[in-house]
Amino acid sequence: DQQVKQNSPSLSVQEGRISILNCDYTNSMFDYFLWYKKYPAEGPTFLISISSIKDKNEDGRFTVFLNKSAKHLSLHIVPSQPGDSAVYFCAASHGGYQKVTFGTGTKLQVIP
Amino acid sequence: AAGVIQSPRHLIKEKRETATLKCYPIPRHDTVYWYQQGPGQDPQFLISFYEKMQSDKGSIPDRFSAQQFSDYHSELNMSSLELGDSALYFCASSSRQGAYEQYFGPGTRLTVT
Repeated sequence: DQQVKQNSPSLSVQEGRISILNCDYTNSMFDYFLWYKKYPAEGPTFLISISSIKDKNEDGRFTVFLNKSAKHLSLHIVPSQPGDSAVYFCAASHGGYQKVTFGTGTKLQVIP
Repeated sequence: AAGVIQSPRHLIKEKRETATLKCYPIPRHDTVYWYQQGPGQDPQFLISFYEKMQSDKGSIPDRFSAQQFSDYHSELNMSSLELGDSALYFCASSSRQGAYEQYFGPGTRLTVT
């Protein structure tokens, strides 16, 4: 039972353009959402998070949007850079300081 | 800034052997989590500890055990290893004095032959 889903396994974007990575979840108990970036053979690197009491959080080039009614969140990267090429995992937790449930990941390729 | 440290980074064991993975959390982090990522899969939660007590348990086999020590480092002990245990094992840490984000270590790649 995949509670966090990333339906696009891969995404290619031109350098300088916007990258939009999408994530859907099914468990309505999730109240904290995170995005991680992962390179091969390395651990996930925390990017940005959002609490369920918000609908938007911005940090530099990264913005996360949360639509609770649709159980959907998205990560926007603007402008995209070649160094952003990696696998991006959406993740969710319930109650804070609890286990994180990961999505299946989206491989982003930013083309110079 | 100091990150989560995991050792060893690579480990090769034979079936039915025992393995011990170590995790050193970020200084002043009091919570440690263990995740397993199989080939082509997303990381799956195994177990977590807060202040040396088990705080949550996921899909951790009975052959595995873990603990958190007084210095907050944690060890994952794996016995009677099976081929299916071959995976990347990640440790993450967080602080209950801060936000909810978990910071991950580089992982230990375990290969069971």
